Amino acid sequence: QVQLVESGGGVVQPGRSLRLSCAASVFTFSINGMSWVRQAPGKGLEWVAFISYDGSDQYYADSVKGRFTISRDNSKNTVFLQMNSLRAEDTAMYYCARDYCTITTCYDLWGQGTMVTVSS
Amino acid sequence: QSVLTQPPSVSAAPGQKVTISCSGGSFNIGNNYVSWYQQLPATAPKLLIYDNDKRPSGIPDRFSGSKSGTSATLGITGLQTGDEADYYCGTWDSSLSVWVFGGGTKVTVL
Repeated sequence: QVQLVESGGGVVQPGRSLRLSCAASVFTFSINGMSWVRQAPGKGLEWVAFISYDGSDQYYADSVKGRFTISRDNSKNTVFLQMNSLRAEDTAMYYCARDYCTITTCYDLWGQGTMVTVSS
Repeated sequence: QSVLTQPPSVSAAPGQKVTISCSGGSFNIGNNYVSWYQQLPATAPKLLIYDNDKRPSGIPDRFSGSKSGTSATLGITGLQTGDEADYYCGTWDSSLSVWVFGGGTKVTVL
């Protein structure tokens, strides 16, 4: 079954770090760009970061630039989100998503999400 | 404050049609393709429309997308109770080099 499965969420104190993982299965992971998208409780979707198919390009939302790092290991079909200096406003459900479109970006496959709570 | 502007909510009776607007600017909608996502309660988003007006396999033709200038529109015809969800537009912003989502629109079937 084609799917994305996130893991690594949890409760963490402000200022600490957390690393999220997203494992892909049953598709050629290495040809797709990947992103992380988050959703704070009761709020809308917020794009967080994008990494190109080969990892050579990364883009970040201003709200996380300098604190979060997206990376990928194509040999393990996994994309990561290293989150440092976490803040209360980073509390959200974090989804990974597959870039499907070729001319531009669009997200056709989403994981079920992993919850991150930043609280003392 | 989202770069893309959507109405907070729209509603209609079963069987009727609703349209959801998504307004942006020249660096996002004006020069890039738009996609639309449906998020049912407590679930991950789902791609409904990509490249402005294309439907992925499995998406019924009750859902349609269009774009004109710096605005895009999602249409839903033959409204069903199962269509009650939040809907988001999204596109790349070439000036900011970021992906942007609209604030979301809640569809209510009366």
